[in-house]
Amino acid sequence: SQKIEQNSEALNIQEGKTATLTCNYTNYSPAYLQWYRQDPGRGPVFLLLIRENEKEKRKERLKVTFDTTLKQSLFHITASQPADSATYLCALDMDTGRRALTFGSGTRLQVQP
Amino acid sequence: ETGVTQTPRHLVMGMTNKKSLKCEQHLGHNAMYWYKQSAKKPLELMFVYNFKEQTENNSVPSRFSPECPNSSHLFLHLHTLQPEDSALYLCASSQEKGSGANVLTFGAGSRLTVL
Repeated sequence: SQKIEQNSEALNIQEGKTATLTCNYTNYSPAYLQWYRQDPGRGPVFLLLIRENEKEKRKERLKVTFDTTLKQSLFHITASQPADSATYLCALDMDTGRRALTFGSGTRLQVQP
Repeated sequence: ETGVTQTPRHLVMGMTNKKSLKCEQHLGHNAMYWYKQSAKKPLELMFVYNFKEQTENNSVPSRFSPECPNSSHLFLHLHTLQPEDSALYLCASSQEKGSGANVLTFGAGSRLTVL
């Protein structure tokens, strides 16, 4: 079965810097890789996704890359703000057979003012 | 609100109680999901319903019993739970199209504590 690794250690960065979060997976590459944000006591909220044939996707201050050779996705937040502090989850969407997403355990980001 | 409403938000129950979690989606989606989230662990898929039919039961113990009376409502009936079942239970919905990305919309979750 698929295993997803996200850095379990919290990531602490200074406001204004770029945060980079990593998502590594085993076995088969998903058709889509999705990123979600989760605040304490709340459900995850979808941010953006990238297809397996795309190298990079941007949305405002967010950028996602996808390397199927390395089996890795990187999630970047540029010009980070304290309001970006949250846990970020990556999820694999296989687009075949089982359609429910498989999630990583998430990385907690703390942006210091 | 995200369009997916879960009640109650918090629930404390004893091991011999029977309780239910409720989820309602106002998005016109055709698929609904229950996930379990424990501290420091990935979301664990429990059940999937598509057009009210259960399409996946991820080896969940029988003390958890789902019910999907229509495509807008999903319940999780709880009976004789164990303390290790304490977790955040998340409901989600999506519009499954057969192909294309399957983006989930989550509710805020029901925090369950089993004493």
